[in-house]
Amino acid sequence: KNEVEQSPQNLTAQEGEFITINCSYSVGISALHWLQQHPGGGIVSLFMLSSGKKKHGRLIATINIQEKHSSLHITASHPRDSAVYICAAGAIGADGLTFGKGTHLIIQP
Amino acid sequence: GAGVSQSPSNKVTEKGKDVELRCDPISGHTALYWYRQSLGQGLEFLIYFQGNSAPDKSGLPSDRFSAERTGGSVSTLTIQRTQQEDSAVYLCASSTHPGTSNTGELFFGEGSRLTVL
Repeated sequence: KNEVEQSPQNLTAQEGEFITINCSYSVGISALHWLQQHPGGGIVSLFMLSSGKKKHGRLIATINIQEKHSSLHITASHPRDSAVYICAAGAIGADGLTFGKGTHLIIQP
Repeated sequence: GAGVSQSPSNKVTEKGKDVELRCDPISGHTALYWYRQSLGQGLEFLIYFQGNSAPDKSGLPSDRFSAERTGGSVSTLTIQRTQQEDSAVYLCASSTHPGTSNTGELFFGEGSRLTVL
């Protein structure tokens, strides 16, 4: 069974700070997703990656397959980045994703 | 439509009643997923459809839960004899690729919030 652990569970930072959210998983995966969920809002897919690094605007996602670890970074954080960030891993041969419990991020002005 | 559409957005029902939740995926998306998110909990996988067939039903929590998809498009999730522990937000997502072994980006609906009294 694939276990997905995220850290930290909660994170409060000041505007402009560099943010890192970590995700570890326990089995071989075919893809790892980073998702964003705003309070009362829907879920938006930020990244899907299976190796290396992806960048979109101020967001960067990296994955280390050997270490079974991924990180989501936010540069020059802004209050509008406040949301729950969820890591989800698709195990090889499985169709469903296993989700982490999410990281609740608050960026204070 | 422009995105994944779910209905109803909110449903309050009495324990023991049946409920039906609907998901209308993005046109052309062959893969459709149902998840649920209970209060304070993470997302839980329920079922995956590729076209009209459901190769993975492993996440359905009990035989009171069933889902179908017709015409490779709209899907309905049915919960029979609802219990209070069924209260959650039920989310639907679709993608262009079949399964997570070769998946494309997932597009989520806004969810259906179910409250069982």
